[in-house]
Amino acid sequence: AQSVAQPEDQVNVAEGNPLTVKCTYSVSGNPYLFWYVQYPNRGLQFLLKYITGDNLVKGSYGFEAEFNKSQTSFHLKKPSALVSDSALYFCAVRATGFQKLVFGTGTRLLVSP
Amino acid sequence: EPEVTQTPSHQVTQMGQEVILRCVPISNHLYFYWYRQILGQKVEFLVSFYNNEISEKSEIFDDQFSVERPDGSNFTLKIRSTKLEDSAMYFCASSVSPTKGALVDTQYFGPGTRLTVL
Repeated sequence: AQSVAQPEDQVNVAEGNPLTVKCTYSVSGNPYLFWYVQYPNRGLQFLLKYITGDNLVKGSYGFEAEFNKSQTSFHLKKPSALVSDSALYFCAVRATGFQKLVFGTGTRLLVSP
Repeated sequence: EPEVTQTPSHQVTQMGQEVILRCVPISNHLYFYWYRQILGQKVEFLVSFYNNEISEKSEIFDDQFSVERPDGSNFTLKIRSTKLEDSAMYFCASSVSPTKGALVDTQYFGPGTRLTVL
């Protein structure tokens, strides 16, 4: 069965500093990995995905994520955080042959001015 | 940019009543999904739907739940006899196509319907 772990409930970072939101996964076969962001009273907005190929994936709003097969990780990163990046971030995995996304518990990112 | 829309944004109902949650997927999408998020918990998959059939469902999606695409634009989730534990945020999503060989499409989510069962 697929699973995702987001070990940090909350990440605090100062504006302008780099940020990392951690995600590890467990899945049989090749993983398809996704990051979504949720702002208050909004739905889940797609940020980026890893399917195959280059381990560094670039997405919306300057975010990127690095797939590491040996560590089964897919950490979300941004070189310079903005206050407007403050939101709830979800990592998700989809296994080959399945349609469902399995989500992590989410990490709240707080960027202070 | 096209978006998934959901109505109502908030639904309050009495235990035992039937509710229908409505979604309008992105217009050229072929696959439709429902997820739910109980307050403070993970987002959980309920069901996926393609070509007027359920293509995948979770153990949560029991006989009290049903889905339908009644016309060319709407996609609905019906809960026949609501229970207190059905209180959650329900998200609809759509995608062009799921896994097909090396192509894995993205699921785009609506803003959700908050269901409160009293």
